[in-house]
Amino acid sequence: DAKTTQPPSMDCAEGRAANLPCNHSTISGNEYVYWYRQIHSQGPQYIIHGLKNNETNEMASLIITEDRKSSTLILPHATLRDTAVYYCIVRVVPGGYNKLIFGAGTRLAVHP
Amino acid sequence: DAGVIQSPRHEVTEMGQEVTLRCKPISGHNSLFWYRQTMMRGLELLIYFNNNVPIDDSGMPEDRFSAKMPNASFSTLKIQPSEPRDSAVYFCASSLVGTPLHFGNGTRLTVT
Repeated sequence: DAKTTQPPSMDCAEGRAANLPCNHSTISGNEYVYWYRQIHSQGPQYIIHGLKNNETNEMASLIITEDRKSSTLILPHATLRDTAVYYCIVRVVPGGYNKLIFGAGTRLAVHP
Repeated sequence: DAGVIQSPRHEVTEMGQEVTLRCKPISGHNSLFWYRQTMMRGLELLIYFNNNVPIDDSGMPEDRFSAKMPNASFSTLKIQPSEPRDSAVYFCASSLVGTPLHFGNGTRLTVT
């Protein structure tokens, strides 16, 4: 699976959009981009994933560049409860298995 | 849906003792994963099962660690004998093949 690069930390004001970047310059054509987050003392939580089109769900939007070498997770109106570590993971979805390898992630702090 | 249930939430034991961590996956899920999280090494995948069969245990640190999945609704991770460096938060996750992982809230293990 391709490696990802994320900034170690970011800040965001409550109510503003949080834009979390991820670089995956060695991504292959059959690799998906997944985002998870981990709020303190809890297990990681799935947010969103995509292959090449932009995706949106009730939690966030995922913007993938046309060359697929980078992506941005957007939390449109960040709240204090969005303070967490956000993980960008690139992986193939093979015939069956969902093995996920986590990097260091981005620690997002949302402040009042 | 009760989610992935792990027990106990906290475990404190002395070096040399046997420790058993338990996991009940989400009903209907056929893949199960054990992860370990420490400050130094982050989230590490230890082992995963598909249809109760261990698929990849390359992340298991050494022979003191063993995992079983006797049926689709239960898995254990055992450490015997435990050592202080095994202190960590252990997460269990489950999924249907091809869908995102759902994590439990972990077991915090302290070995003194």
